[in-house]
Formats: sequence, C-alpha cells, structure tokens
Amino acid sequence: DADVTQTPRNRITKTGKRIMLECSQTKGHDRMYWYRQDPGLGLQLIYYSFDVKDINKGEISDGYSVSRQAQAKFSLSLESAIPNQTALYFCATSASQGANSPLHFGNGTRLTVT
Amino acid sequence: GQNIDQPTEMTATEGAIVQINCTYQTSGFNGLFWYQQHAGEAPTFLSYNVLDGLEEKGRFSSFLSRSKGYSYLLLKELQMKDSASYLCAVRDKGSGTYKYIFGTGTRLKVLA
Repeated sequence: DADVTQTPRNRITKTGKRIMLECSQTKGHDRMYWYRQDPGLGLQLIYYSFDVKDINKGEISDGYSVSRQAQAKFSLSLESAIPNQTALYFCATSASQGANSPLHFGNGTRLTVT
Repeated sequence: GQNIDQPTEMTATEGAIVQINCTYQTSGFNGLFWYQQHAGEAPTFLSYNVLDGLEEKGRFSSFLSRSKGYSYLLLKELQMKDSASYLCAVRDKGSGTYKYIFGTGTRLKVLA
C-alpha cells in the first residue's frame, strides 16, 4: 500500500473549472507539500504545511489554494483552471524531527487543462 | 539567491560507472538529497549528505563539498533499470523555515 496517496491519478478538465486534488498519508508525518513538475523546470513548490493550522505559500502559489483538513490530509484546489496549469502534481511529506528527513512523494496526479 | 545546476542529460553503457554532478548556491544550507525518478513516476529518495565526504549505499555513492557548493552521485555497475532522471535537492533554511529546492534533474540513459 502506498504511504502517500494522491487522487485522482489523471484528470482532464476545461478552462475555468474548479478542481481539487487530494492527498492522504499514513506515514504520521506533520509536514506536507504540494509540488508541480513541468518538463525542463524541475519540481516547484506550490504550498506547504507544517501542522494542521499552518499554511504557507511556496514559489508559485498564484492560482492555487490548499486545505489541511487533518494531519493526514492536504488538498490542493485550482479555483479556475487555466491551460498553463497543465502539469504533473506531486504531494509529499516529511518528518518534522531529524536532519535526515527526506521528502516522501505520492504517485502524482497528471492534470490536463484544455 | 538560490540556484541548483546539474547536467540535463547523460549517456552511459551497461556495467560502466557514471558520475552526475550538482552545484548549488543557497543562503542556509542544511543538507543535500539525491532522488531517482523514472518517467511518469514519483521521485524516490536515494541518498543524503550534510557533512563533507562520501556516503556509500550499495552501487550508489554521494559526495559533498560544502565549501565548493558541490555534490556528485556516483552509480557503479550500471544496469538498464538505472535509466531515469536523477534530481539533486538542497534543504535550505532561508527565512527561518526549511524548504527543499530542486534542480531540474539529469536524465540518464543506460545503453546495452
């Protein structure tokens, strides 16, 4: 079973539609992140959360919002999708303690906005 | 500013050794990570360095020089399944919070 689960795995939507991507984890980690990946640009941080009541903007938060409903759940919303939000989206978690705490990624959501 | 550079693409032969370099500039260095990512899949953690020197994990080793802002990932006895992208990431404590900053990745092709 995946420790970090993203739904849906693939989604095609139209410009202007609202869409939510969901992420849940069973790792017991406090910290959760949303990244997008575009060819040639690497992983870019959208939002991150270190606790249920903590939400922080990343490098490219415009056009996105998030909700940390519980320690195990972190969802990403696109209020009005646009074509340049077509990308591969990854949710990730990390432990809050310990210097050697890598990111653990979900399997990704491939989003296409037409 | 923050910047991570790694080669875009490399090619090597099955059974050979390949070294993937990464240079970085950050304001609050707090560790360097290497990830492997097969096409369309999630990145998976390979190695971590926070002190200077070499960390060895089976066929994979990673080296760090903090004074030079330099790391490399060494893959020995290459196998076809090692064809993937390799991502260099730095954890940075700029502005008081830890963030992971990724390079654009090096796509490695292993040829028979």
